[in-house]
Amino acid sequence: AQRVTQPEKLLSVFKGAPVELKCNYSYSGSPELFWYVQYSRQRLQLLLRHISRESIKGFTADLNKGETSFHLKKPFAQEEDSAMYYCALSAGGTSYGKLTFGQGTILTVHP
Amino acid sequence: EAGVTQFPSHSVIEKGQTVTLRCDPISGHDNLYWYRRVMGKEIKFLLHFVKESKQDESGMPNNRFLAERTGGTYSTLKVQPAELEDSGVYFCASSQVFRNSYNEQFFGPGTRLTVL
Repeated sequence: AQRVTQPEKLLSVFKGAPVELKCNYSYSGSPELFWYVQYSRQRLQLLLRHISRESIKGFTADLNKGETSFHLKKPFAQEEDSAMYYCALSAGGTSYGKLTFGQGTILTVHP
Repeated sequence: EAGVTQFPSHSVIEKGQTVTLRCDPISGHDNLYWYRRVMGKEIKFLLHFVKESKQDESGMPNNRFLAERTGGTYSTLKVQPAELEDSGVYFCASSQVFRNSYNEQFFGPGTRLTVL
């Protein structure tokens, strides 16, 4: 069975400071990892996925298979980054498509 | 494009009553998913439809929950009878049919269910 862990429920930083949201996973196969974000009064939306290796809104995330981690990073946080962030995993085989979410991290960026 | 829509946005019912949640996926999306977030817990998968067929219902908590997707369009999730622990936010998501790769799931705004 797969599991996703986000150790921090709350994370506060000041504008311009670096931010890192941690995500660890457990899965015996080759998963696909994602970061979803939910801004205030908006719906959950995909931020980025490990397979595309792109930077979205200044955020990047690298899949580290050795440490089974997929931490989300941004060098200079902005106030508009304040939101709930979820790390999620999609397994292959018959479970394809089903997402397993972490508990979520509320990021607050102070001015 | 309205995106995934869910109805109602909020439902308050008493324990033992029945509630039906509805989800309208994005037009053309054959995959439809139901998830639930219970207070203080993570978002958990309930089930997955491909068109009108249940692909995976491993996350359905018990037989008080019944999901349908007649005609492969909108889906309903019925809880009968509702219990206190069913309170939470129910999300629906849809995606296009995947071909050996993951297709982005688009989420609805959720239905907040409160069972008193």
